[in-house]
Amino acid sequence: QKEVEQNSGPLSVPEGAIASLNCTYSDRVSQSFFWYRQYSGKSPELIMSIYSNGDKEDGRFTAQLNKASQYVSLLIRDSQPSDSATYLCAVNFAGGGNKLTFGTGTQLKVEL
Amino acid sequence: DADVTQTPRNRITKTGKRIMLECSQTKGHDRMYWYRQDPGLGLRLIYYSFDVKDINKGEISDGYSVSRQAQAKFSLSLESAIPNQTALYFCATSDQGFANTGELFFGEGSRLTVL
Repeated sequence: QKEVEQNSGPLSVPEGAIASLNCTYSDRVSQSFFWYRQYSGKSPELIMSIYSNGDKEDGRFTAQLNKASQYVSLLIRDSQPSDSATYLCAVNFAGGGNKLTFGTGTQLKVEL
Repeated sequence: DADVTQTPRNRITKTGKRIMLECSQTKGHDRMYWYRQDPGLGLRLIYYSFDVKDINKGEISDGYSVSRQAQAKFSLSLESAIPNQTALYFCATSDQGFANTGELFFGEGSRLTVL
């Protein structure tokens, strides 16, 4: 069974710090990886995608992928209280029917 | 107005009752999905449909059925609801570029409580 694992948290960081969110997945050949953000009481929204080993930066967000270690992470620089949310890691597993498998999510709290 | 609309938004029902959750979209997407979200378990896929004539089971389809009445409509039914089907249900859509973008567009969710 293909799995995506995340630490549920909560992860608490002070305002202005770097928040690091981690995710591991079970299939070495998977090609595409995504981070969704879900505010309390709201629906998830896509914030980052990454397909190749290395880093991908978008504003204050950086996604990192290491396929050999089956590990993907999301760094949030200069964390703001508005970043407080649950972050869901999702994988489009190779041969999985072109659909997403989500992790359980990590709750991030950015404290003033 | 929301592009992906779910009805009802909240529903309380009793064990054994039949429940239908409806989803309609104005995005023109071919692909539609039903997920449920439970605390500590994340989002789990129930059923998905890549076009009107295509219905596929997800990882937790037991106890559920779906109907794709049109490109824009995808309904989820619980034939005989049980308490462990109490959850937040999300409908989502995606377009043909999903393989590249991984982007799902979610509705606002339907909170179902089975007593």
